[in-house]
Amino acid sequence: AQKITQTQPGMFVQEKEAVTLDCTYDTSDQSYGLFWYKQPSSGEMIFLIYQGSYDEQNATEGRYSLNFQKARKSANLVISASQLGDSAMYFCAMTSTGNQFYFGTGTSLTVIP
Amino acid sequence: DTGVSQDPRHKITKRGQNVTFRCDPISEHNRLYWYRQTLGQGPEFLTYFQNEAQLEKSRLLSDRFSAERPKGSFSTLEIQRTEQGDSAMYLCASSLGLALHEQYFGPGTRLTVT
Repeated sequence: AQKITQTQPGMFVQEKEAVTLDCTYDTSDQSYGLFWYKQPSSGEMIFLIYQGSYDEQNATEGRYSLNFQKARKSANLVISASQLGDSAMYFCAMTSTGNQFYFGTGTSLTVIP
Repeated sequence: DTGVSQDPRHKITKRGQNVTFRCDPISEHNRLYWYRQTLGQGPEFLTYFQNEAQLEKSRLLSDRFSAERPKGSFSTLEIQRTEQGDSAMYLCASSLGLALHEQYFGPGTRLTVT
């Protein structure tokens, strides 16, 4: 069975500062993908970043980077230079087959001006 | 707009009625997923299609739920004899055929059962 754990229900960050959102996962599969999604109050899930289990380099997409530590089974999202528009729910997800995706319970991020 | 679309965006129904939701995926995506999301939770997987074939179905999905994707394009999710516990956001997502490819989500259908 696969499981995603996000232990931070809520986080606050000052505008222009960096913030790290934690995600740990559990799987016995060797090949898998890890994803982060943003869900603003409007409700739509927005794909942010992807990391494959065999990727040697940490993924980066603009202000988003994924701190992938395979041995610790963690895939933390780092948002640099936070903006007010980053205030949203953030979900970590994984799949090993592409048939089912497993999501965590999310972290609510609030950016303070 | 070439993203995933869902219809309706909101649905209010009385307990015991049937409801049907529609999802139109991104046109070149052959994988389609349905999820349910309740307040304070992440999306919960319901079912998955590759083209017109329904290949995965959550064990949590009761017999009152059925989904179709008749021509491998749009999909419908039907809930029969709705219960108050069915009140949730129903999300549709699509992705390319690669197994570990990211999903793109629609805006969701919010169902309220009174």
